[in-house]
Amino acid sequence: AQKVTQAQTEISVVEKEDVTLDCVYETRDTTYYLFWYKQPPSGELVFLIRRNSFDEQNEISGRYSWNFQKSTSSFNFTITASQVVDSAVYFCALLLHGSGNTGKLIFGQGTTLQVKP
Amino acid sequence: GAVVSQHPSWVICKSGTSVKIECRSLDFQATTMFWYRQFPKQSLMLMATSNEGSKATYEQGVEKDKFLINHASLTLSTLTVTSAHPEDSSFYICSASPTRTEAFFGQGTRLTVV
Repeated sequence: AQKVTQAQTEISVVEKEDVTLDCVYETRDTTYYLFWYKQPPSGELVFLIRRNSFDEQNEISGRYSWNFQKSTSSFNFTITASQVVDSAVYFCALLLHGSGNTGKLIFGQGTTLQVKP
Repeated sequence: GAVVSQHPSWVICKSGTSVKIECRSLDFQATTMFWYRQFPKQSLMLMATSNEGSKATYEQGVEKDKFLINHASLTLSTLTVTSAHPEDSSFYICSASPTRTEAFFGQGTRLTVV
């Protein structure tokens, strides 16, 4: 079965704190893609990152960084020096590459991040 | 990245009426588009896969006669909520991609049935 679990429902931090959002996935496929999206109150999904199953290199983009570990089936997201504008719901998602899976995403439950001033 | 446009952004309709939501890929062709539904404070759940030139594939538990999907061209898919009721009030969002390994989302449509 394919599944994405974001165990943290809500996280609250004070501005400038670092925060890590956890994501654990399940799949038997060897080829797959993992995504993180940000959903602000307006509702649109803002793409943050895509990582394929063969690339375990960690990535850093400004204050954002991602840690992909196939051994633990995790794809965690860290925001360094958080800001109030980071407040949103964050979704981790899994896309399978096998036959019949053309762009269909399986989403985690989402983590609501609140950054207080 | 590729651009997907969804219209309208929000709609209020009376109970019993039908509402059509459009999803367009602006700079690429999409043989497949996806429709998701999101209730407040919940995750996105796939409703159906829209296939150009053929019938949509619905996820288990989604009423195909209530949520009509038409993918008439390579750049347009429409979702029609027929005989809408208050319990259909939700956030609907579509996605499409020029490849099988990406997903680009529309802006979403907030439907309120009164």
